[in-house]
Amino acid sequence: GQSLEQPSEVTAVEGAIVQINCTYQTSGFYGLSWYQQHDGGAPTFLSYNGLDGLEETGRFSSFLSRSDSYGYLLLQELQMKDSASYFCAVLGGATNKLIFGTGTLLAVQP
Amino acid sequence: DGGITQSPKYLFRKEGQNVTLSCEQNLNHDAMYWYRQDPGQGLRLIYYSQIVNDFQKGDIAEGYSVSREKKESFPLTVTSAQKNPTAFYLCASSNPGGSGEQYFGPGTRLTVT
Repeated sequence: GQSLEQPSEVTAVEGAIVQINCTYQTSGFYGLSWYQQHDGGAPTFLSYNGLDGLEETGRFSSFLSRSDSYGYLLLQELQMKDSASYFCAVLGGATNKLIFGTGTLLAVQP
Repeated sequence: DGGITQSPKYLFRKEGQNVTLSCEQNLNHDAMYWYRQDPGQGLRLIYYSQIVNDFQKGDIAEGYSVSREKKESFPLTVTSAQKNPTAFYLCASSNPGGSGEQYFGPGTRLTVT
């Protein structure tokens, strides 16, 4: 079967750093994507890791370890607007078809 | 502005009726996708299309149908055979190839009573 595991909820304070982990077990693997979704809104793309290592985009970074079937999203200098759900998604093949995790609800407190 | 539009934002139907959700994109993307999202859950793939006049079933295709007659349009029909159709439906598009990036529309929230 195919599965992605993420923590269901994470809470942090403004200005802090938070890490959201994702472990996966899939029949095919090209890379790992991360998406943000505010309540009632559309998911928006944050990052993609096709190779092992760290990818940095502003306050957000994403890491992948293929050998451990593990990745994480790191959010720095947290802001209230970062309160949202974050989904990891496995790219299983060259078709750009994604398999999504169940999401992590991040609550940023003042 | 380029993007994906879905209409309507909210849709109410009686049980036993088929309903068609609209999805249009002007991003010139070849690939389009339909997802279903239930409260507190991730996105589950219903159908996807890599090219005009071709589409494949996703993980939960039963009770749904699609067509892809134009590159810009990928309508989803929720049939009366779908046992639990009330959900948030999201359409997405992407360029071909493995970039891991999909562009999503604003979604249609369907309620069937």
